[in-house]
Amino acid sequence: KAGVTQTPRYLIKTRGQQVTLSCSPISGHRSVSWYQQTPGQGLQFLFEYFSETQRNKGNFPGRFSGRQFSNSRSEMNVSTLELGDSALYLCASSSDRTKQYFGPGTRLTVT
Amino acid sequence: DQQVKQNSPSLSVQEGRISILNCDYTNSMFDYFLWYKKYPAEGPTFLISISSIKDKNEDGRFTVFLNKSAKHLSLHIVPSQPGDSAVYFCAASGPGGAGSYQLTFGKGTKLSVIP
Repeated sequence: KAGVTQTPRYLIKTRGQQVTLSCSPISGHRSVSWYQQTPGQGLQFLFEYFSETQRNKGNFPGRFSGRQFSNSRSEMNVSTLELGDSALYLCASSSDRTKQYFGPGTRLTVT
Repeated sequence: DQQVKQNSPSLSVQEGRISILNCDYTNSMFDYFLWYKKYPAEGPTFLISISSIKDKNEDGRFTVFLNKSAKHLSLHIVPSQPGDSAVYFCAASGPGGAGSYQLTFGKGTKLSVIP
C-alpha cells in the first residue's frame, strides 16, 4: 500500500497570508490527524477527522482549521499567518487506535 | 500541562551498548503507549507499542517496559547501532472526543549512537 502523502513538502509564506496543506491517507484509513512540530515542543495535536467529521481538536487558535473529503483526503488551513506558525506540519492516518502512520510532513516557513 | 514527559532531551551511547529512553505520564486514562522514531526531514515511524494490561513487550532489539503504578515507561535498545541515531518520541493513547482515541506525544529524546 502507498504510504501517507503530503503536499507541498516545503512552503514559504509571508505574515498575514493564508496557507492550505494537503494530506492523502493510506487507502482504507478513515481517520486523519494533524500535528504541528516545532523545535523543542514535540508533536502538538491540532485536530482529527473521521468520516468527514472533526472528532478531536487540540488547543490551537481558530486560525487553524481543517476538513476531510469523502475519499478521506484531508486539508488543513492556516489563516493570517504569524511568524510562530513556522513549523513542520505532520499528517497521520490510522484504521484503529493502535498505530498512526505519518506522512513526511510539510515544512512551512513564515517570513 | 504536559501529560507525557520525556525528561532527557538527548542521550549518547556507545555502539553495542544498551540505550534506555524514559517517559513519564500523568493521565491515568492513558491505556496504550507507543514509541516512534524520527529522522530529520521524515515523518515519525512506529517502533513498538504496549497495552496497559502488559508490563513488557519485545520486538527484536527493542523492548518497552511499562510500570503503571509509577506511570513510567522505558524503551530499551540492545545492542545499540549507529543507525538507531534519531529522535524518539513517546506517545500515550487515551479517550478523545466522540468515542475516539487521541495520541499525546512527549517532546522527544535525541539518541546519538557513537561508533
